[in-house]
Amino acid sequence: GAVVSQHPSWVICKSGTSVKIECRSLDFQATTMFWYRQFPKQSLMLMATSNEGSKATYEQGVEKDKFLINHASLTLSTLTVTSAHPEDSSFYICSARELVPYEQYFGPGTRLTVT
Amino acid sequence: AQSVTQLDSQVPVFEEAPVELRCNYSSSVSVYLFWYVQYPNQGLQLLLKYLSGSTLVKGINGFEAEFNKSQTSFHLRKPSVHISDTAEYFCAVSSGSGNTPLVFGKGTRLSVIA
Repeated sequence: GAVVSQHPSWVICKSGTSVKIECRSLDFQATTMFWYRQFPKQSLMLMATSNEGSKATYEQGVEKDKFLINHASLTLSTLTVTSAHPEDSSFYICSARELVPYEQYFGPGTRLTVT
Repeated sequence: AQSVTQLDSQVPVFEEAPVELRCNYSSSVSVYLFWYVQYPNQGLQLLLKYLSGSTLVKGINGFEAEFNKSQTSFHLRKPSVHISDTAEYFCAVSSGSGNTPLVFGKGTRLSVIA
């Protein structure tokens, strides 16, 4: 089956620093990738949608200058949290979609803690 | 626009008892429906999906779900639960077209009691 990896799985950083999270589709080409954020005991909140080679589309209320998304190839998307603050601490999950059959495959998530 | 309603935020059930987790959706177009399970501090694992064909869908770990178009529902069932089924369960819907992402319900916490 289709596999999506995320790296790192867990990161702690100091307030004011930037953190990059990688999302890779290991055995398929992902035309579209999605980034979600999940707070404790809550559902997944879509942050942005990205297509390879084009700018990401951000959901309302998500700061595009703070959450930089790059989808440079059909197998790699990155999310950079710039100037992180404690309120950015969360579980970030990426998802990748094949053109057919329109399923989304999820990565294992990245736990970000900002101190 | 699509939306998903999971009617129960928490469902406690005794071990070996049956369980049903409810999911209703709204959509103006044809939909694909999914159930995912999430264990603590882990990502989402696909339990089952409905894309087309038979309305009764069987998934992993003994779960099944039935697509009911007239009631716009996709309830998840298991005839006998185990302690290991304790987790968060998410219902999701997609139109399957273009860049439309999955839309998730708020989740149902299934707690299996010994």
